[in-house]
Amino acid sequence: QKEVEQNSGPLSVPEGAIASLNCTYSDRVSQSFFWYRQYSGKSPELIMSIYSNGDKEDGRFTAQLNKASQYVSLLIRDSQPSDSATYLCAVNVYGGATNKLIFGTGTLLAVQP
Amino acid sequence: GAVVSQHPSWVICKSGTSVKIECRSLDFQATTMFWYRQFPKQSLMLMATSNEGSKATYEQGVEKDKFLINHASLTLSTLTVTSAHPEDSSFYICSAVLALSDTQYFGPGTRLTVL
Repeated sequence: QKEVEQNSGPLSVPEGAIASLNCTYSDRVSQSFFWYRQYSGKSPELIMSIYSNGDKEDGRFTAQLNKASQYVSLLIRDSQPSDSATYLCAVNVYGGATNKLIFGTGTLLAVQP
Repeated sequence: GAVVSQHPSWVICKSGTSVKIECRSLDFQATTMFWYRQFPKQSLMLMATSNEGSKATYEQGVEKDKFLINHASLTLSTLTVTSAHPEDSSFYICSAVLALSDTQYFGPGTRLTVL
């Protein structure tokens, strides 16, 4: 069973702090990993993709990937109330003719002003 | 770039009727589009993979005769919910993949309510 697991939260952090979101996956051959943000009632929007072990930074966001541990994380620096949303970890798996994304259940982040 | 639209954004229909939802990639061509369904407080569940010019591939447990998918062009895929029932009420979201990429960009979603 190919699964993606996240802590559902809520994760509560004060404004200006670092929010750390974690995700583990079971498919060892996965090569592509994504973080999406989803506001309540809206569709997911892409934050970052990561393909190689290590860190990838984009503004206040840093994605970290460790394929040996099957672990991917997202750090949000200087968290803002507008960052309050559900963060979805997604892993690309080979589904026959086409790759497809398997989503975790998401972590609800609440940034307290 | 990589903008995906959906129409309608919300729809209310009577039980037994059919509803068509359109998904368009506005500024790129998408050979592959995906259809998801999301129930309240749950994650996205993939319903089917839509490939231009061929039949859709449905996930296990998704009735292909109830959820008709057509991907007639590189910028348009449609999902038709046939004989809708209240249990089909959900948030339907499509995504499209850039050529030579595995990144999915999502449409804004369609909220379906079946009375």
